[in-house]
Amino acid sequence: DSGVTQTPKHLITATGQRVTLRCSPRSGDLSVYWYQQSLDQGLQFLIQYYNGEERAKGNILERFSAQQFPDLHSELNLSSLELGDSALYFCASSATREETQYFGPGTRLLVL
Amino acid sequence: GQNIDQPTEMTATEGAIVQINCTYQTSGFNGLFWYQQHAGEAPTFLSYNVLDGLEEKGRFSSFLSRSKGYSYLLLKELQMKDSASYLCADNYGGATNKLIFGTGTLLAVQP
Repeated sequence: DSGVTQTPKHLITATGQRVTLRCSPRSGDLSVYWYQQSLDQGLQFLIQYYNGEERAKGNILERFSAQQFPDLHSELNLSSLELGDSALYFCASSATREETQYFGPGTRLLVL
Repeated sequence: GQNIDQPTEMTATEGAIVQINCTYQTSGFNGLFWYQQHAGEAPTFLSYNVLDGLEEKGRFSSFLSRSKGYSYLLLKELQMKDSASYLCADNYGGATNKLIFGTGTLLAVQP
């Protein structure tokens, strides 16, 4: 158990819908990262937050957005969902001045 | 660019030793991670190399050559539970700590 929690574990929804994935980092970690992992691709970095501020952006679609709240939990919002958005979405966290990222159990999203 | 290459699949025998290679582009490189991922589960941290050389952690060791853009993960005394994907990831982020992952090497350990 990494100490990073994610909810929900599984999510089934329809095309065009909007969902919110939630992540709580390890106690004391200020950085949160979101990754997408689909069958035909490896782990793709989406976005990073540090202490409430966006720090880095990767291959994140405009339909996707994220935020980190004052209690340091983070949410990833996915809207206008398409079939191709079906994937595992992982959240990771790291401590300040430490590079190692610890991953949560992931949310498996299925868009039908 | 930040291309990372590692073999797609490997097979090894229980009790044996296996080496999983990873090559990366050296420009902007900060460090090299190895993660283990069982199917459908979260990646779990194995090692992080910043300096050249070999780092040993029990049955697992990781090697880095910065000048050659090359790393390997060495797994000794293989066990069936070592069957998993092994992900090589480069830390190119500097202050952002962004990780760029390879597609992973799926290792199958056979009896």
